[in-house]
Amino acid sequence: AQSVTQPDIHITVSEGASLELRCNYSYGATPYLFWYVQSPGQGLQLLLKYFSGDTLVQGIKGFEAEFKRSQSSFNLRKPSVHWSDAAEYFCAVGAPSNTGKLIFGQGTTLQVKP
Amino acid sequence: ETGVTQTPRHLVMGMTNKKSLKCEQHLGHNAMYWYKQSAKKPLELMFVYSLEERVENNSVPSRFSPECPNSSHLFLHLHTLQPEDSALYLCASSHSLFAGANTGELFFGEGSRLTVL
Repeated sequence: AQSVTQPDIHITVSEGASLELRCNYSYGATPYLFWYVQSPGQGLQLLLKYFSGDTLVQGIKGFEAEFKRSQSSFNLRKPSVHWSDAAEYFCAVGAPSNTGKLIFGQGTTLQVKP
Repeated sequence: ETGVTQTPRHLVMGMTNKKSLKCEQHLGHNAMYWYKQSAKKPLELMFVYSLEERVENNSVPSRFSPECPNSSHLFLHLHTLQPEDSALYLCASSHSLFAGANTGELFFGEGSRLTVL
């Protein structure tokens, strides 16, 4: 069965510092992988996605993520965090045969210190 | 208006009430979803509709009853809920359910915050 684990429930970084949010997945084949962001009181917005090809994918708002098959990971990174990046971040996995149904991790809350 | 719109944004109801959540998408998508978001838990997929047909009911109690009258509208009818049903209910849509035609992206509404007293 598919599953997603985000090991860090809460992360605090200083503004301008780099960021890495971890995501590990369990799936028998190469899945489709996504990162979503949710600001307070809002729905989820897609940051980036990986289907195939280049394992380093670029997303919106300066985010990127790297698919590492050997580690079953899809970590999200940003070189320099802005205060507006404070939000909850969700990693999700979808099966290639049925990409509409996504399985989400429990989320990582990012706090940004001034 | 574009995107996915959910109403009401906030709802408080007693355990004996009957209420409905509404979702409307203006994206021309063929698949729509209800997710439940509870504090400190992963998003739980509740229902999936493709071309107005329910294709998944993820072991959801019968006190939640979905309805999809057309590809643009999705409802969640609520009846005799329990306090543990209090959560944020998110509606989403996608181009279609299956790979090939689908970029895999879900478009979410802002959610309906439900409190059951």
